[in-house]
Amino acid sequence: ELKVEQNPLFLSMQEGKNYTIYCNYSTTSDRLYWYRQDPGKSLESLFVLLSNGAVKQEGRLMASLDTKARLSTLHITAAVHDLSATYFCAVDVSDSNYQLIWGAGTKLIIKP
Amino acid sequence: EAGVAQSPRYKIIEKRQSVAFWCNPISGHATLYWYQQILGQGPKLLIQFQNNGVVDDSQLPKDRFSAERLKGVDSTLKIQPAKLEDSAVYLCASSPRAGGGGTQYFGPGTRLLVL
Repeated sequence: ELKVEQNPLFLSMQEGKNYTIYCNYSTTSDRLYWYRQDPGKSLESLFVLLSNGAVKQEGRLMASLDTKARLSTLHITAAVHDLSATYFCAVDVSDSNYQLIWGAGTKLIIKP
Repeated sequence: EAGVAQSPRYKIIEKRQSVAFWCNPISGHATLYWYQQILGQGPKLLIQFQNNGVVDDSQLPKDRFSAERLKGVDSTLKIQPAKLEDSAVYLCASSPRAGGGGTQYFGPGTRLLVL
C-alpha cells in the first residue's frame, strides 16, 4: 500500500525558533509536493521537488528531497506567526495516473 | 489569471437529500480533480478527468456519487442521496498537464454539512 507519513502531526512553537517537518513515503515517486492550508481555506502550492538532492527555498521555508531515503523535509527558519497553518506533503505515482498520495498534514501553531 | 472557481461555498442539507457542486478550472487546464477532505485529514481523490474523459474514479462511491465534465471544461459533482458521513469539504483542482502529474491548483472548496 502506498503511504505518505508526516511527523509531527502537531507542532506548537515560539516565534524565532527553527523546526523541521518530515515527510516519508513508501514508494518510488516522480515528484514530491508541499502545500499549505490555512484554517477554512483551500490548499496553496508551496514547492515541487523533482529530483534527488533538490532544495527549494522561499522566505523562511526550505524544502529538500532525498529520494534514496524516500524522505522530504520542510525546514522553518526563525518562525513568524504568519506561518501558522497546516502543511501537507504529497507524492505522485506514475503508474497510478500520477494520482497524488497525501500525508495527514502537520498543524503548525506559532505563538508570538 | 483567474483561479479555480467553485460554487456554492457552503451547503447544508438533510440526509437522503441530493446536492450538486460546480467547478470551473483554470482556463486551458486539461486535468480536473475532485477531492473530499474530512476535517483533520488530507484530501482524498474522488475522480480525475482528462479533458472530458474519466481517468480514475476508483475511489468514487458510485452508488451515490456521480460526476461529469462536459466539453472538457466545467465539472459538476453530485451526491444522491447524501449520508451523514458525506459531511466534508469538496475540493476541485486542475492542472495543465494532460497526462496528470504536476502542480495541482485548488479552488476554495465547498463545505457540505449533512444533518
